[in-house]
Amino acid sequence: AQTVTQSQPEMSVQEAETVTLSCTYDTSENNYYLFWYKQPPSRQMILVIRQEAYKQQNATENRFSVNFQKAAKSFSLKISDSQLGDTAMYFCAFMKLGQGAQKLVFGQGTRLTINP
Amino acid sequence: DTGVSQDPRHKITKRGQNVTFRCDPISEHNRLYWYRQTLGQGPEFLTYFQNEAQLEKSRLLSDRFSAERPKGSFSTLEIQRTEQGDSAMYLCASSLQSPDLYGYTFGSGTRLTVV
Repeated sequence: AQTVTQSQPEMSVQEAETVTLSCTYDTSENNYYLFWYKQPPSRQMILVIRQEAYKQQNATENRFSVNFQKAAKSFSLKISDSQLGDTAMYFCAFMKLGQGAQKLVFGQGTRLTINP
Repeated sequence: DTGVSQDPRHKITKRGQNVTFRCDPISEHNRLYWYRQTLGQGPEFLTYFQNEAQLEKSRLLSDRFSAERPKGSFSTLEIQRTEQGDSAMYLCASSLQSPDLYGYTFGSGTRLTVV
């Protein structure tokens, strides 16, 4: 079974600063995806960024980038030039590829607050 | 089609009552998932449909829980004889055939409080 661990329950930074959220995972699979999801107070889970395990290049989406270390099973999220709208719960998630449900296994989440 | 809709947004029920939640996925999405999220935790997988077929159920889904997707469109999740431990957010998500490529779209959830 896969597990995902987010060791930072809460983080807080000033607007425009850079913040890094940590995530580690445990799996014996070789083919998988990793995701960061954002859950604002309005509750709808939104995909922030995804990383295919077979790709060595780290994914980037505008101000969001990841540091994917496959051997260390680490998948951190960096948010640059943070904005007030980035305030949310952030969840790291794992998806095994192949036949079956392709369900997400989530970490416990990190509550991120961006202060003005 | 504006996304995944869940109804109701909030439900308060007395212990022992039955409750039913509804999820309307994005119309062209053939995969539908139910997750449960308790306070301070990440969502946990409950069950998955491909079209009308329920193909996988978590052991979290006790025999008091039943989910259906009768025509491969909307889905319902029923909890019988609710217990206080059932209090949680119930999230529905849908995707095209390959969620690894196309991602999931989540609904806003139904928050259940059992008193």
